[in-house]
Amino acid sequence: AQKITQTQPGMFVQEKEAVTLDCTYDTSDPSYGLFWYKQPSSGEMIFLIYQGSYDQQNATEGRYSLNFQKARKSANLVISASQLGDSAMYFCAMRKRRAQKLVFGQGTRLTINP
Amino acid sequence: DAGVIQSPRHEVTEMGQEVTLRCKPISGHDYLFWYRQTMMRGLELLIYFNNNVPIDDSGMPEDRFSAKMPNASFSTLKIQPSEPRDSAVYFCASIRTVQSGANVLTFGAGSRLTVL
Repeated sequence: AQKITQTQPGMFVQEKEAVTLDCTYDTSDPSYGLFWYKQPSSGEMIFLIYQGSYDQQNATEGRYSLNFQKARKSANLVISASQLGDSAMYFCAMRKRRAQKLVFGQGTRLTINP
Repeated sequence: DAGVIQSPRHEVTEMGQEVTLRCKPISGHDYLFWYRQTMMRGLELLIYFNNNVPIDDSGMPEDRFSAKMPNASFSTLKIQPSEPRDSAVYFCASIRTVQSGANVLTFGAGSRLTVL
């Protein structure tokens, strides 16, 4: 069975600092995809970044990058130069390549302090 | 592109009443998902459809919950009778699958249900 673990319920970071949000996963399937979503206080779910299990390079999208360590089964999200607007819940999720359903972790609440 | 549209955005009802949540996926998307979000259980997948056909309803909590997708542009999630423990935010989401690529799930804004 798929399982996603986010061990940090909450994090507090100073504005402009980089922040790493942890995510580990468990699957026996060799082919899968990893996703990060942001949920601000308004409630919507916003897609941030994707990493395929066979991708050779770590994914990057603007200030977001994914530190993918396949052997450790970790897919940490790195946000560079954090901004006040980055304060939100962040969810890691996984999908097996042959299925379309997404399984989510419990989330990490990130607070950026001015 | 209007995105995934859910209604109502907020619903307050009394225990025992029937609740119907509605979803219009993005045009051309072939998968539709219903998720439930609570503080205790996080984001749970309830059911999903492919080309209007239910594929996996193993996440539906019990017989009080039912979901339908009569056509490619509309789906409903019904709770009858509702109970206070059903209070949650219900998200609808959709995907247009392609052979290669991330197949990113696009979420609606959610329907916040409160059962008194």
